[in-house]
Amino acid sequence: EVVMTQSPVTLSVSPGEGATLSCRASQSIRNGLAWYQQKPGQAPRLLIYDASARATGIPARFSGSGSGTEFTLTISSLQSEDFAVYYCQQYNNWPLWTFGQGTKVEIK
Amino acid sequence: QVQLVESGGGVVQPGRSLRLSCTASGFTLSDYSLHWVRQAPGKGLEWVAVLSYDGSNKYYADSVKDRFTISRDSSKKTLYLQMNSLRAEDTAVYYCARVNGTYSLYLAYWGQGTLVTVSS
Repeated sequence: EVVMTQSPVTLSVSPGEGATLSCRASQSIRNGLAWYQQKPGQAPRLLIYDASARATGIPARFSGSGSGTEFTLTISSLQSEDFAVYYCQQYNNWPLWTFGQGTKVEIK
Repeated sequence: QVQLVESGGGVVQPGRSLRLSCTASGFTLSDYSLHWVRQAPGKGLEWVAVLSYDGSNKYYADSVKDRFTISRDSSKKTLYLQMNSLRAEDTAVYYCARVNGTYSLYLAYWGQGTLVTVSS
């Protein structure tokens, strides 16, 4: 099983600042990685797939990078609606899909 | 547009069974793989099971293998999760999710979830 490890657990950021979230895979997953955003009481929302492709309707301030075992989600200038929990998920090693434990982005 | 609506959650005693449903609209079930993902209270996301688009393959997380069964009824446009021998650690919000394209592997569409509580 591929273990996904996200860091940090919590990230405190002021509105307008940038944020960088990390996700590490226990073995190479090539570019088979997605990022999801989840707000309290809501279902997850797809942000990024194939490590760097933005999903439909996702603002350009969200960008993903990386391949192999190291991945990054960057939010260039945090808006109020961006404070949420972010999860990475690998799907290269199907048929076992695994999520990271999440990074909470909170208002500083 | 694509819509997924889960139902069937509730409170159930340990060792009992429950069946969740996920009613789909805006697409044909047999064109896409469908997943169940769960989230225990205050915890992260855990992938549970997948049914391939053609219905020929079903895969499960080790934590639910041999207890849960994923299936669908295309005529009713509904995905199911039959959960047997339920345990306290199965308590979670259960989401159904659809991949983006027929051969996609990431989850582009999600339902709102249904809460399952396993407690005596």
